[in-house]
Amino acid sequence: EVQLVQSGAEVKEPGESLKISCKGSGYSFSSYWIVWVRQRPGKGLEWMGVISPGDSYIKYSPSFQGHVTISADRSISTAYLQWSSLQASDTAIYYCARLGDGYDYSLDFWGQGTLVTVSS
Amino acid sequence: EIVLTQSPATLSLSPGEGATLSCRVSQSVSGYLAWYQQKPGQAPRLLIYDVSNRANGIPTRFSGGRSGADFTLTISSLEPEDFAVYHCQQRNNWPPEYSFGQGTRLEIK
Repeated sequence: EVQLVQSGAEVKEPGESLKISCKGSGYSFSSYWIVWVRQRPGKGLEWMGVISPGDSYIKYSPSFQGHVTISADRSISTAYLQWSSLQASDTAIYYCARLGDGYDYSLDFWGQGTLVTVSS
Repeated sequence: EIVLTQSPATLSLSPGEGATLSCRVSQSVSGYLAWYQQKPGQAPRLLIYDVSNRANGIPTRFSGGRSGADFTLTISSLEPEDFAVYHCQQRNNWPPEYSFGQGTRLEIK
């Protein structure tokens, strides 16, 4: 069974750093690209970036370039999303999702989401 | 930047009725348009990919279509479990970049 399991909820203060994770199982992690998606409270979905775990190719949305870092460790089948300095506006649920090659690279499996709350 | 505009923002219908949700794309795109369903407290779920193809396990009452820059998700006869938020999503060619619409909330009337 394909699963993406994300790390737990985080509460941080502005200016703090954070790294959240997304662990894949039930499939060849290196063979499927992973995206990160933000969902602010009561809002729609926003694509943040994509990574190919097999060769670590990364592409960021212009809206997120320079503010977050995406990475992956294929040896432990895990993708990461990190911030060096959080802002209150980063408060959101963050999802990882897999690009499904059987679905023409639509997002076929999603993590359960990680709630990040940034507040002083 | 490709912008996806979903309408209406909220759609109020009763079980058994049909629903049509729209997604207009700002630029001419290929057929890489998908629809997702999201229930409260849950991650999105893939319903439709490549405009009109149902993902595994998706009931046949869900269908997708296209007329030029306007894409539609149709639910032929609403079941109670269909009341949720629906997102459209476009992908460019390769390497992939994604854009989402702002979502349509389908609520019980």
